[in-house]
Amino acid sequence: QVQLVESGGGVVQPGGSLRLSCAASGFSFNSYGMHWVRQAPGKGLEWVAFIRLDGNDAYYADSVKGRFTISRDNSKNTLFLQMNSLTVEDTAVYYCARPYTHYDSYFDHWGQGTLVTVSS
Amino acid sequence: DIQMTQSPSSVSASVGDRVTITCRASQDISSWLAWYQQKPGKAPEFLIYAASTLQPGVPSRFSGSGGRTDFTLTISSLQPEDFATYYCQQAKTFPWTFGQGTKVEIK
Repeated sequence: QVQLVESGGGVVQPGGSLRLSCAASGFSFNSYGMHWVRQAPGKGLEWVAFIRLDGNDAYYADSVKGRFTISRDNSKNTLFLQMNSLTVEDTAVYYCARPYTHYDSYFDHWGQGTLVTVSS
Repeated sequence: DIQMTQSPSSVSASVGDRVTITCRASQDISSWLAWYQQKPGKAPEFLIYAASTLQPGVPSRFSGSGGRTDFTLTISSLQPEDFATYYCQQAKTFPWTFGQGTKVEIK
């Protein structure tokens, strides 16, 4: 079955950096684009970034553009999110999500999430 | 960006009640709409796509309807496991955006 396991979250100071990982299994990872979606404590869902299946194209929410970089290693079935210049507004649970087959814009499978806390 | 507005923000209901949640898009999204269910401390679950198509395994008491800018999620007979927060999401145009959520609470 599809499994997505995020890691790399933690506490970081404002202005700091963090790299999240998402280990994928149970499906052909290199056949799917992948997303990151986040949820601030007690708040709703916010799409963050998307990368196409070959890694050649990436898209970002305006709130993270220029600070976050999504990437993937298809040989290791792993998705990444490099987060730089973090602010307190980036505090959230970060989920990786696999799109629904043939529809990149629906989020079919989600990981359990990893918490990023930006605090001094 | 397309804004998604859900109403109500919360609803109190009893087991067996019919519950309706609405979602309005700020522009025409055709049928490019999904619904998700999220329970506390858990990741969202994908319920419905293309406005009205249920994912396999989703109980038939859930239904989705609507198109263009106005959409509805209906739970025909609320069950204990349905108490959760529900989100709509437009899937037509990047950046993909969610509604603010509707919390279904026990009356």
